[in-house]
Amino acid sequence: GIQVEQSPPDLILQEGANSTLRCNFSDSVNNLQWFHQNPWGQLINLFYIPSGTKQNGRLSATTVATERYSLLYISSSQTTDSGVYFCAVERRNQGGKLIFGQGTELSVKP
Amino acid sequence: DVKVTQSSRYLVKRTGEKVFLECVQDMDHENMFWYRQDPGLGLRLIYFSYDVKMKEKGDIPEGYSVSREKKERFSLILESASTNQTSMYLCASSLWFQGSSGANVLTFGAGSRLTVL
Repeated sequence: GIQVEQSPPDLILQEGANSTLRCNFSDSVNNLQWFHQNPWGQLINLFYIPSGTKQNGRLSATTVATERYSLLYISSSQTTDSGVYFCAVERRNQGGKLIFGQGTELSVKP
Repeated sequence: DVKVTQSSRYLVKRTGEKVFLECVQDMDHENMFWYRQDPGLGLRLIYFSYDVKMKEKGDIPEGYSVSREKKERFSLILESASTNQTSMYLCASSLWFQGSSGANVLTFGAGSRLTVL
């Protein structure tokens, strides 16, 4: 099956710093999403981004489908950004089946 | 906003017990999913359903079954719970269907943390 690898596994930042999270995947995909899981366990969809670039406030994401990676940028980090960030992909012709990476655990210190 | 509601936030069961985890979504979504989340392993797909009474195995279906008798409800069943099924269970739903112009964007419930003693 498709492999999804996220890096780094852990990240500690000082409030105000910027960071880049990476997601590599091993096969062509027609769906890629980034999620944030808060410390209480709730997963929230951040971006649906199978290709191209999107921005939402201090967060932006870029997917280069031909090179099989996606990047999530967090600028001016805040303590509320803490949690686990997951990348999930769906292979072509595997309708509905999203496969998740292992996540990047981010801790933002005040 | 779509709401995905999981019936129990925390459960403690004994080995061998039958366990039902219930999930209800209120926005007429076609697809529903059950994942389990374990430290270091991310989320792994157990089963999903793209229509009433339809189900497909995910990556780790062993030891689990599911039921989808109504469009809004998707149940995960552990016929005989074992300690290695202690985990966080996450239900999700999405509107997407084959041939649609939309995207398979998942909305998750708050999770059910199951402990099997």
